[in-house]
Amino acid sequence: QAQLVESGGGLVKPGGSLRLSCAASGISFSDDYMTWIRQAPGKGLEWVSYISSSGTPYYTDSVKGRFTISRDNSKKLVYLQMNNLRVEDTAVYYCASGLSHDYWGQGTLVLVTS
Amino acid sequence: DIQMTQSPSTLSASVGDRVTISCRSSQDVGHWLAWYQQKPGKAPKLLIYKTSTLEFGVPSRFRGSGSGTEFTLTISSLQPDDFATYYCQQYDILSTFGQGTKVDMK
Repeated sequence: QAQLVESGGGLVKPGGSLRLSCAASGISFSDDYMTWIRQAPGKGLEWVSYISSSGTPYYTDSVKGRFTISRDNSKKLVYLQMNNLRVEDTAVYYCASGLSHDYWGQGTLVLVTS
Repeated sequence: DIQMTQSPSTLSASVGDRVTISCRSSQDVGHWLAWYQQKPGKAPKLLIYKTSTLEFGVPSRFRGSGSGTEFTLTISSLQPDDFATYYCQQYDILSTFGQGTKVDMK
C-alpha cells in the first residue's frame, strides 16, 4: 500500500530555516518525480517544487534561491530545505508523487511568525 | 508562467444535479491536465489525469474533457460525497493549480 509521510514542520521566525522530509513506501520511488505542494490557511493549492528521478530540481519563482529540494533514492526520502523563511511561506506542505499526483502525504504545517 | 483560471469559484447544487466546472489555461498545455477533489482538513485526491483518464477507483460519474487551453470537469449526477473543492492542475510546463471551485449544497 502506497504511503507518503511528511515530517519536519513547525514554528519558525522570519529568516529562519526548516527541513521537511517525506518518507515513501509502496511506490516506485526511484522511477518517479517527487513534488512539494503547499496550501496557505484557507487558500488554494500552490506548486512549490519537484525533482526528477535523476535529481534535477525545479522551483516556483517565489522560492528560488531560498528552498532546495533533494532526494535519496536508496532511502526513499525526499527533502525540502527551506531557508530565509517569510511569513508568506506559512502553509501546510504536502509531499506528492509524480507530476499528476496519485499519492499524497497528510501534510505538515509550517508556521512562520515573529 | 502558465496561469490556470477556474470558473465558477463557488457552485451551489443539489444531489442529482449535473455539475460542470471549467478550467482555462493561459497557454496551450496539450492534454497535461489533472483534476483533484479536496475535502476540509484532508489532502487532495486525484480524480482525472491527462485530461480525461479516470484514476483507478474514481466513480464513472466524473468525466474530464477538453484540450489545449479549455478543459471541463463534469459530474453527471452529484452525490452527497461530492460536496468538496475541486482543483485543476496543468503539468505541461512546470505545474500550476487553478484557484479552486467549491461545490456546496443549494
